[in-house]
Amino acid sequence: SYELTQPPSVSVSPGQTARITCSGDALPKQYAYWYQQKPGQAPVLVIYKDNERPSGIPERFSGSSSGTTVTLTISGVQAEDEADYYCQSADNSGTVFGGGTQLTVL
Amino acid sequence: EVQVVESGGGLVQAGGSLRLSCAASGFTVSSNYMSWVRQAPGKGLEWVSVIYSAGSTNYADSVKGRFTISRDNSKNTLYLQMNSLRVEDTAVYYCARVPVAAAGTSYYFDYWGQGTLVTVSS
Repeated sequence: SYELTQPPSVSVSPGQTARITCSGDALPKQYAYWYQQKPGQAPVLVIYKDNERPSGIPERFSGSSSGTTVTLTISGVQAEDEADYYCQSADNSGTVFGGGTQLTVL
Repeated sequence: EVQVVESGGGLVQAGGSLRLSCAASGFTVSSNYMSWVRQAPGKGLEWVSVIYSAGSTNYADSVKGRFTISRDNSKNTLYLQMNSLRVEDTAVYYCARVPVAAAGTSYYFDYWGQGTLVTVSS
């Protein structure tokens, strides 16, 4: 079955830039989406169609794509950005999520 | 205001059945793709099923043949009938909406409920 691969964890200091990657063989042909999930809460969409930001999502969140890897970038990380982040994309039967990346703000 | 509210979770023995509901407001469930996504305790998100606006459905291999997604347009409610439950089905089950503009082979979720916990005991 199709898989999306994310690093289990990323750590950054406040004000620095965090980059979370997601790799998958079909990503050159399929859009990627990103969600933020804080403990005990439902996921929130932060990036759609590789690099589009929904209304209400801060400008410090951005997305990019290069070959089989997509990247979520958080510029000027704030303490409130500490959360789990999941990528998502289409597969043959529906959709699939990456394993998730825990972002720690030091 | 768009809202989806899940209900129906609980404790059930392995082999048993449960039906989850997702009451929608602020939009019409039949106009959108709707999905169920689950999250086992301490684990990541796992897509479970989708019902397309035309009414056809699709399932993850892990639940195919055991779970059935459906909707009641008159009640504006989405359902997930879960049969032959296994311990590994234990999870928080989220109902999630796909925006109309995203309808296609690659879709995403713009609104999520708060989830309902299903616990399957052995």
